[in-house]
Amino acid sequence: SSELTQDPAVSVALGQTVRITCQGDSLRSYYASWYQQKPGQAPVLVIYAKNNRPSGIPDRFSGSTSGNTASLTITGAQAEDEADYYCNSRDSSGNHVVFGGGTKLTVL
Amino acid sequence: QLQLQESGPGLVKPSETLSLTCTVSGGSISSSSYYWGWIRQPPGKGLEWIGSIYFSGSTYYNPSLKSRVTISVDTSKNQFSLKLTSVTAADTAMYYCARQGIAADDWGQGTLVTVSS
Repeated sequence: SSELTQDPAVSVALGQTVRITCQGDSLRSYYASWYQQKPGQAPVLVIYAKNNRPSGIPDRFSGSTSGNTASLTITGAQAEDEADYYCNSRDSSGNHVVFGGGTKLTVL
Repeated sequence: QLQLQESGPGLVKPSETLSLTCTVSGGSISSSSYYWGWIRQPPGKGLEWIGSIYFSGSTYYNPSLKSRVTISVDTSKNQFSLKLTSVTAADTAMYYCARQGIAADDWGQGTLVTVSS
């Protein structure tokens, strides 16, 4: 079982804003990172260190943290944002990496 | 641009050892800023961190796999490797290697390993 909990599925209307959440006690101490994975492809980092975007990631992707919950927000979701999204961070010991179970985002 | 490429057998028999290598190009595996990790994904399921290694050889393993996993590094070849012993069908997965700094910012394309007789 994962120490980071994500909703299995979320949907959003095209052009609207969606928030994907990740809960875990370790998030009180360590930042979450977020990955996008489309079918048949390797994951791609979209947010790291709370709210930093790698080069090439659109600015409609943003991150935040409150208490034990990290959030990935997509402002103005596009059809190409339909994918699985995974959070990851450290576990409570700080020595190991953990992934959330993933959230399947559907853009309607 | 950094590239990572996994290689190794795509089919492993139950109880045998899974062995994979990740070759890094476009950058040095001896960078002090990064760890190098293995992550896997069973078909239709989520991501699971297997373990990570620093160029000096320091390792961290997923506690649930620790008894079966060894990750090693060969700085002369700019490669790091994964060995997973006593495999079962539950180890069937896409195996990815990745560069880990603050986050896993570069990934290989992955290699599918099937455990079957």
